[in-house]
Amino acid sequence: GDSVTQMEGPVTLSEEAFLTINCTYTATGYPSLFWYVQYPGEGLQLLLKATKADDKGSNKGFEATYRKETTSFHLEKGSVQVSDSAVYFCALTNGVWSGNTGKLIFGQGTTLQVKP
Amino acid sequence: GAVVSQHPSWVICKSGTSVKIECRSLDFQATTMFWYRQFPKQSLMLMATSNEGSKATYEQGVEKDKFLINHASLTLSTLTVTSAHPEDSSFYICSARRAGADNSPLHFGNGTRLTVT
Repeated sequence: GDSVTQMEGPVTLSEEAFLTINCTYTATGYPSLFWYVQYPGEGLQLLLKATKADDKGSNKGFEATYRKETTSFHLEKGSVQVSDSAVYFCALTNGVWSGNTGKLIFGQGTTLQVKP
Repeated sequence: GAVVSQHPSWVICKSGTSVKIECRSLDFQATTMFWYRQFPKQSLMLMATSNEGSKATYEQGVEKDKFLINHASLTLSTLTVTSAHPEDSSFYICSARRAGADNSPLHFGNGTRLTVT
């Protein structure tokens, strides 16, 4: 079945450091890929998305490129801030079609801690 | 934007009682809502897919008689944890997709922290 694998955390960085969180996936067809962020005690917020190969999603300084050849969707940010400290989830959906509900499949999450 | 409201945000109940959690899409209609469960420091596990006007589809291993899901309207789905036990203590999160937007991302509620004593 479809699955998502993220690098294990926690990832601890100093403010203004470069961030990379690796994400690879296994899926049939042509999934859409997402990054969600979860702050302590809260639900998930969509950070960015990409719906086809070579698409680059970006938001709030974060970027991720849909690489079909390597089945990856790594999250990057050039200069992290303390306020970026959160748990980041990579996810995929294979869309809505007969027999498929469009559910999201999540990776295990990566905790990012940014120190001042 | 698309807002999903989940209520209550936290609840403490005694073992053996039932708890209802509501998930509302505030500014859009959602034919499909999803219920997830999250254990501490773990990922989200899909429990069931809630379909407006029909029965929910449960993931393997999820007890449908214990976790009752009702999706009575295009803006409301409820999850009832029946005869709750301490092992049901968890963080429950709902999500919704705007009707007619099959490839759009899911919008999540802020979750409900359930503690069963």
